[in-house]
Amino acid sequence: ETGVTQTPRHLVMGMTNKKSLKCEQHLGHNAMYWYKQSAKKPLELMFVYSLEERVENNSVPSRFSPECPNSSHLFLHLHTLQPEDSALYLCASSQDLSSGGANEQFFGPGTRLTVL
Amino acid sequence: GQNIDQPTEMTATEGAIVQINCTYQTSGFNGLFWYQQHAGEAPTFLSYNVLDGLEEKGRFSSFLSRSKGYSYLLLKELQMKDSASYLCAVRDNRRGYNKLIFGAGTRLAVHP
Repeated sequence: ETGVTQTPRHLVMGMTNKKSLKCEQHLGHNAMYWYKQSAKKPLELMFVYSLEERVENNSVPSRFSPECPNSSHLFLHLHTLQPEDSALYLCASSQDLSSGGANEQFFGPGTRLTVL
Repeated sequence: GQNIDQPTEMTATEGAIVQINCTYQTSGFNGLFWYQQHAGEAPTFLSYNVLDGLEEKGRFSSFLSRSKGYSYLLLKELQMKDSASYLCAVRDNRRGYNKLIFGAGTRLAVHP
């Protein structure tokens, strides 16, 4: 595997279910991110981790719970979601959190989530 | 506040040139990025500008004017595979880290 991978690619869940999204980066990066992408809306940053430490929680409801057990893996635990949470959830990684140079973020293909 | 504007949709002809504009208003500006996103796929990095001027990379070029809060992505010799969404993103370093703020994207359709 190369780059950033995400599983599952598609997920349908009821409002009372509990599920988890998984992200893995094979780039040796130290920073990882969760984004939400809704139709015709900008990507919204949800969480930022650096070396397994959460740096940013961008006012995300507690029904979304991130976990970063090591610098290569990032999870997003979901419980009691609402239909408006249906979206594409993208994971990204970058070398670190510095703002020097491009330090571009590399994205995974996303998980298409539908909440019924 | 922070605001990034780009056209919602554009169409162009194969072989032609298209310019996608992006205007922004943000504090803590520390660079502007363009990403390409094909339907159902991951956004992929195209370009990065932090100083005023033009950066050229093959068929794609990106321009930045910080004083005007303006950037454009120029695509030359368009190919059908260039049909995708193009995302403009500004890096805001007020929180001391690599935070990207995205526009809603421009969906480009290239037709024969």
